[in-house]
Amino acid sequence: EVQMVESGGDLVQPGGSLRLSCAASGFIFSRFWMSWVRQAPGKGLEWVANMKYDESEKYYADSVKGRFTISRDNAKNSLYLQMNSLRVEDTAVYYCARTVDTSIYYSDYWGQGTLVTVSS
Amino acid sequence: AIQMTQSPSSLSASVGDRVTITCRASQGIRNELGWYQQKPGKAPKLLIYAASSLQSGVPSRFSGSGSGTDFTLTISSLQPDDFATYYCLHDYSYPLTFGGGTKVEVK
Repeated sequence: EVQMVESGGDLVQPGGSLRLSCAASGFIFSRFWMSWVRQAPGKGLEWVANMKYDESEKYYADSVKGRFTISRDNAKNSLYLQMNSLRVEDTAVYYCARTVDTSIYYSDYWGQGTLVTVSS
Repeated sequence: AIQMTQSPSSLSASVGDRVTITCRASQGIRNELGWYQQKPGKAPKLLIYAASSLQSGVPSRFSGSGSGTDFTLTISSLQPDDFATYYCLHDYSYPLTFGGGTKVEVK
């Protein structure tokens, strides 16, 4: 069974840092792109970042570029999101998703999400 | 960045109704668009990719169409399980962007 489990969400002060993790299982992790998508309370979905299976390509939303870093450890079947210089507007549930990005694109399996709250 | 304008933002419908949701891209994106369903407190679920390809396991009452700038998600006969919020997502180029969402509510 394909599964993603996010962790690391917490309450953090503005300007602080946090590292999210996503543990994947049930598929060959090293063959898939992975994504982070977030959702602020009561708001819509916002794509955050994507990373290619071999780490050769990374892409970020303009709202997080320069502050967030996506990474992965294929040996540990894990995806990460290092979040620095956090802002109140980064408060959201963060989802990781398995993604296919070839001639077609889709994210077909998602985790349950982890809540990040940025507040003083 | 490409902007995705989704309409309506909400709609009220009854079981059995035909429902149509529209997404418009700020520039041509070929057929590089997907549709996702989300229920409260749950992760999004993939319905449609490449504008019109039905994801495995998704009921055939869901269909997608469109190309270029205008796209449509249609639910041919709304079922009780379909009351949810629907989002389009373009994958034409980075950064990716979602539409604002359409909440389908009980009439």
